[in-house]
Amino acid sequence: LAKTTQPISMDSYEGQEVNITCSHNNIATNDYITWYQQFPSQGPRFIIQGYKTKVTNEVASLFIPADRKSSTLSLPRVSLSDTAVYYCLVGDYFTMNNNAGNMLTFGGGTRLMVKP
Amino acid sequence: DSGVTQTPKHLITATGQRVTLRCSPRSGDLSVYWYQQSLDQGLQFLIQYYNGEERAKGNILERFSAQQFPDLHSELNLSSLELGDSALYFCASSPRTRGQGSKNIQYFGAGTRLSVL
Repeated sequence: LAKTTQPISMDSYEGQEVNITCSHNNIATNDYITWYQQFPSQGPRFIIQGYKTKVTNEVASLFIPADRKSSTLSLPRVSLSDTAVYYCLVGDYFTMNNNAGNMLTFGGGTRLMVKP
Repeated sequence: DSGVTQTPKHLITATGQRVTLRCSPRSGDLSVYWYQQSLDQGLQFLIQYYNGEERAKGNILERFSAQQFPDLHSELNLSSLELGDSALYFCASSPRTRGQGSKNIQYFGAGTRLSVL
C-alpha cells in the first residue's frame, strides 16, 4: 500500500477555504484516493474518493493532478465544526504471503483547527 | 449515521478479564473490519471478515479473536486483558471484498471505548 504524507496540522478561520495536500509518490496504477474525517472519540467518516482529475460532493472537492502523486482535499467555507483530523489514504487491497484482503492504512492525519 | 452499529459504547474491566465487542454492519454489507485506535499507535487494522470467513489479518494479538456470524454481525473477543489494551475499537463494513483497483469504501461505527484497569 502506498505511503502518504500530509501536514501534521493546519489552522484556519471560519468562512475560509481550506486545502489539505497529501503526497503519495508510490501510488499504484489502480489505486483510488480516499479521505476520511475523524472527530475525537468518534469513528472515521468517509468524505470523498477519487481516481483522477476532480471530484466534488456536497462536503468537499478532491483535486488529483495527472501524475496522481498528490491530491488536495478542498473544504469550502469551513466552520468551527470542521475542526477534526483528516486522513488521506491510498488503495486498500494488499497481499502478503498467504494473507490478502482490504486494509486501510491510516497515518497521522492532518489536525485542522478552525478558529472563530 | 454510518449505519454500522457497535455495542457497547463503553466497557470498563480489569486486567486478566475477557470481553466481547459486537458489531452490526450496514444492511447488505458482507465485509466487516476491526480496527484499534490507541494514543500511541494510531488507527491500526486488526482483521477482516467476508461473508462469515476470515479474509485478512493485520496486527491482531493472539489473545484477540473475531468471528462473523451467518447474519453478518461480528464479534471481537479480547482475552487476558492488559492495561495496554485500553483503546478505542472500531468496526467498519463495506459491500464486499475487492481486489486492487476497485472502489472499496469502508464505513465506520462509533466505536467501543475499552478501559482496562
